Amino acid sequence: NAGVTQTPKFQVLKTGQSMTLQCAQDMNHEYMSWYRQDPGMGLRLIHYSVGAGITDQGEVPNGYNVSRSTTEDFPLRLLSAAPSQTSVYFCASSYRATGKGLAGEISLYEQYFGPGTRLTVT
Amino acid sequence: KQEVTQIPAALSVPEGENLVLNCSFTDSAIYNLQWFRQDPGKGLTSLLLIQSSQREQTSGRLNASLDKSSGRSTLYIAASQPGDSATYLCAVSTQGGSEKLVFGKGTKLTVNP
Repeated sequence: NAGVTQTPKFQVLKTGQSMTLQCAQDMNHEYMSWYRQDPGMGLRLIHYSVGAGITDQGEVPNGYNVSRSTTEDFPLRLLSAAPSQTSVYFCASSYRATGKGLAGEISLYEQYFGPGTRLTVT
Repeated sequence: KQEVTQIPAALSVPEGENLVLNCSFTDSAIYNLQWFRQDPGKGLTSLLLIQSSQREQTSGRLNASLDKSSGRSTLYIAASQPGDSATYLCAVSTQGGSEKLVFGKGTKLTVNP
């Protein structure tokens, strides 16, 4: 398994340009998410999806669009890039695993992250 | 709004020392807590995942504990090695699923040979 893959690894855009960050996973995970990581801010959730055809907004969704037409792919679109979108973008996927805890059945959702896309907007 | 705090922001220790990284969260209604490791310029690697009803998880030299009622977790690293140098991130998921994580800003660990 390749796990979670992201392309491109690096990208420079001019203000106003559009582009799509690609994310794919081959683990048949239901859940996929996009985060951005900025110095001093930590990672923040942009959008997420609980399955094909279902997406929702995270903490910082403005300026970004997503769609989930297949289980494997979850692209992130920047419609009109702004310098404030300079960041490192991480895609993640997770699945629901069940196990036995002290109080009975428990569910675990372990997140797996891609290597990231470093985006600079000038 | 859930907030996650990690203390200290940076830590430098000599090789072989046992150390503890701290994570606190403001809303105890979490579903699970996950510790990650991030090397410079790289993605995140999951280290340990603790479901809210569990108290601790262990993997090799790593032990993570969770006190949900007090909003705290610790990551214990035994016999630290230079290869442990990295940024360690704590993240919690809220009730309803783990597709949404709230992250702390991380602790940057340096283990000196």
